[in-house]
Amino acid sequence: SQQGEEDPQALSIQEGENATMNCSYKTSINNLQWYRQNSGRGLVHLILIRSNEREKHSGRLRVTLDTSKKSSSLLITASRAADTASYFCATDRINNNAGNMLTFGGGTRLMVKP
Amino acid sequence: KAGVTQTPRYLIKTRGQQVTLSCSPISGHRSVSWYQQTPGQGLQFLFEYFSETQRNKGNFPGRFSGRQFSNSRSEMNVSTLELGDSALYLCASSSIQTGNSGNTIYFGEGSWLTVV
Repeated sequence: SQQGEEDPQALSIQEGENATMNCSYKTSINNLQWYRQNSGRGLVHLILIRSNEREKHSGRLRVTLDTSKKSSSLLITASRAADTASYFCATDRINNNAGNMLTFGGGTRLMVKP
Repeated sequence: KAGVTQTPRYLIKTRGQQVTLSCSPISGHRSVSWYQQTPGQGLQFLFEYFSETQRNKGNFPGRFSGRQFSNSRSEMNVSTLELGDSALYLCASSSIQTGNSGNTIYFGEGSWLTVV
């Protein structure tokens, strides 16, 4: 079952604009990871944020995490056509036998128009 | 360093047949997990192996099985294929034993399975 939901499900913007995607989850987590998936391809890891972190940056990416609201956001600044892809958040739940088991949201399909 | 490698990339099988998919993790990674991605159900966790032992299992029928070898390479098998098994099967690897320390999980390009 899906851990959470992503909002919006689809987003269309012009090149140069910023794109913001939101993710909500249901249970307490160890960390949250964001992935990008180009059509028909595998998942590319973008950024990991731990449950004790509130904000993290990587290049044009900014991720925030609010554990009290069980939500995260991914901001892509100065978007490019090459950013067109689906974006997924994935959580690693607190569990005595957590291992490496991710639960994914439904994803946001981002289209960046040139 | 090579990434996660999955073979085959594409395959077509007939209902009732079985299929084996292979995954080579990133060198040095001992945790390998498998996911199924379909348009209807999204990305769902199948199982995870660490040091040749299944450590976690998702909510899939017993037709889905896997194993891990001593070199950390993993295979998953689906028996008695059904049309609904058509999906992208993704393998992922990670270097750290547990998720508590916040380890990055890397994915391969996936194996596209079509059941006809």
